[in-house]
Amino acid sequence: KNQVEQSPQSLIILEGKNCTLQCNYTVSPFSNLRWYKQDTGRGPVSLTIMTFSENTKSNGRYTATLDADTKQSSLHITASQLSDSASYICVVFFDNNAGNMLTFGGGTRLMVKP
Amino acid sequence: DTAVSQTPKYLVTQMGNDKSIKCEQNLGHDTMYWYKQDSKKFLKIMFSYNNKELIINETVPNRFSPKSPDKAHLNLHINSLELGDSAVYFCASSQTGLLAKFFGPGTRLTVL
Repeated sequence: KNQVEQSPQSLIILEGKNCTLQCNYTVSPFSNLRWYKQDTGRGPVSLTIMTFSENTKSNGRYTATLDADTKQSSLHITASQLSDSASYICVVFFDNNAGNMLTFGGGTRLMVKP
Repeated sequence: DTAVSQTPKYLVTQMGNDKSIKCEQNLGHDTMYWYKQDSKKFLKIMFSYNNKELIINETVPNRFSPKSPDKAHLNLHINSLELGDSAVYFCASSQTGLLAKFFGPGTRLTVL
């Protein structure tokens, strides 16, 4: 079972609208979490990295939040643009007895329409 | 200038062949990675090297052998290719840690 779940799996919004992508994880102990944007046919690009002590972090029109108590993170995109159409992947890094581990979510495919 | 580059971009080959994918980063990073992205777009880490030393080796068949001649290069050699090896392989790098920051453009491997 994938221990990082993202929702929705896909999302279509109109240009200029806001949207929020969710990432829930069950792995522990948590170390940090990163959001990536992956354009079709391209490698992932890191958007933000969230550590345990951080609740929110912004990168331009992207704002990530983290609630380590409920093990939830969100990525909010403001005033969406056509170029925001991509897959958004949540990756959680944790440290267990087996050593350092990281788990990828399945991604949310966002399509922004004019 | 490309930060993380990998070659070839596309690779089509037959089952049983041996092939290599090359990766280079010009960022001066200490850590390099190989990831596999399957047809469902799931990304899975395969290997991680820090200063030419292997630090992560996920459950990957030993047909896959990474080689790091120096900390700017991490090549992936695959022996006896199988149909299930068809995927996009991404090389990546970061200064430290186990979460890659910069990814290469990917190599689409198709095994016939």
